[in-house]
Amino acid sequence: LAKTTQPISMDSYEGQEVNITCSHNNIATNDYITWYQQFPSQGPRFIIQGYKTKVTNEVASLFIPADRKSSTLSLPRVSLSDTAVYYCLVGAPNRDDKIIFGKGTRLHILP
Amino acid sequence: SAVISQKPSRDICQRGTSLTIQCQVDSQVTMMFWYRQQPGQSLTLIATANQGSEATYESGFVIDKFPISRPNLTFSTLTVSNMSPEDSSIYLCSVAPGHDPGANVLTFGAGSRLTVL
Repeated sequence: LAKTTQPISMDSYEGQEVNITCSHNNIATNDYITWYQQFPSQGPRFIIQGYKTKVTNEVASLFIPADRKSSTLSLPRVSLSDTAVYYCLVGAPNRDDKIIFGKGTRLHILP
Repeated sequence: SAVISQKPSRDICQRGTSLTIQCQVDSQVTMMFWYRQQPGQSLTLIATANQGSEATYESGFVIDKFPISRPNLTFSTLTVSNMSPEDSSIYLCSVAPGHDPGANVLTFGAGSRLTVL
């Protein structure tokens, strides 16, 4: 399983774009990159998943460079409600691959 | 995605007792996972529970302490046995769809917050 490294915490202000970068130098050829969001007293929630280049959905964008050794989660125009812990995970999309969480990034949005 | 109901949502328990957490899913799923999250920490995988087979435990977790049942494709239980204050945590049930793509995208229950006195 590829190990991931993220900043422990980040602060930003409402209305700003927030970019959280995750390093995964040992990513394997068939690994996907998945991001989860966790609010206090809730289980993690899937945000976005990608393999290469750029993926965008209604919540976020995920940028993956050609070497795939890192990825960046981009949250456009954050609000106070985006204050949460964000986890980057790397793994293969098959039923035998257990999913291990790293320490995550604690994002704090300020008014 | 699947909808997961966990019971109890929270409980306060006495040292030395055991508590069983239930996880009910609204659809049939192959893989279910149990995680523990201690205060302010990330999630730690306890075990993988597949229907019809013994649960597979991660390093540091044993069946005698955390027995798991998986009687069918929509239900699982995790028991925390002989509890001590160190077992105070949030216990989370999760499922994976089990098909490509996105087979490793998990859906989580709301968690069961255990406090052991």
